[in-house]
Amino acid sequence: DAKTTQPNSMESNEEEPVHLPCNHSTISGTDYIHWYRQLPSQGPEYVIHGLTSNVNNRMASLAIAEDRKSSTLILHRATLRDAAVYYCILRDVGGGTSYGKLTFGQGTILTVHP
Amino acid sequence: DSGVTQTPKHLITATGQRVTLRCSPRSGDLSVYWYQQSLDQGLQFLIQYYNGEERAKGNILERFSAQQFPDLHSELNLSSLELGDSALYFCASSAEDYEDRGGSEAFFGQGTRLTVV
Repeated sequence: DAKTTQPNSMESNEEEPVHLPCNHSTISGTDYIHWYRQLPSQGPEYVIHGLTSNVNNRMASLAIAEDRKSSTLILHRATLRDAAVYYCILRDVGGGTSYGKLTFGQGTILTVHP
Repeated sequence: DSGVTQTPKHLITATGQRVTLRCSPRSGDLSVYWYQQSLDQGLQFLIQYYNGEERAKGNILERFSAQQFPDLHSELNLSSLELGDSALYFCASSAEDYEDRGGSEAFFGQGTRLTVV
């Protein structure tokens, strides 16, 4: 499985933008970049995903580097509810025994201060 | 609410016992995934089923088994339980078909907290 590297933790203030980086230098051409987050005592929650172009949805924006070796999840205005562990995942689309499974790393713990 | 239902929410059992965890995917989702989350291991992929067939296997112990039924619900069976099996077990479902494995989002249930004493 292609690996991702994220900072262990980040901090932000409420209502400020947050940029969560992710490095994935071994990404292959057909790997999708997915972001999930996990709030305390809950299951992971989908945030956003993309392949090559930048993506926006109601929760966040995803900026993908031109060479696709890194990406950044952008929360435009952090709220206390955004405090969670954020996972950057390369969605495995390979053949053989890999059929879209999500391989979670350690993620980034985001702390949001009031 | 993700639409994925897991039962029971909590389970306490003794070592050596066998338990069954149940997952009802979102309506129409063909893929079901099982994950284990313990404090020291993070989220570990166990197994995936697609439309009743096993599709991918991860770090699943031989004491564990799973299946997906014709109505698409899935069960994870854990036997000869050990203290180290205590963890949160998550089920996720996805609408992906065989040709679209990369783009579909997965929806996770709230998990079953298993405590082995």
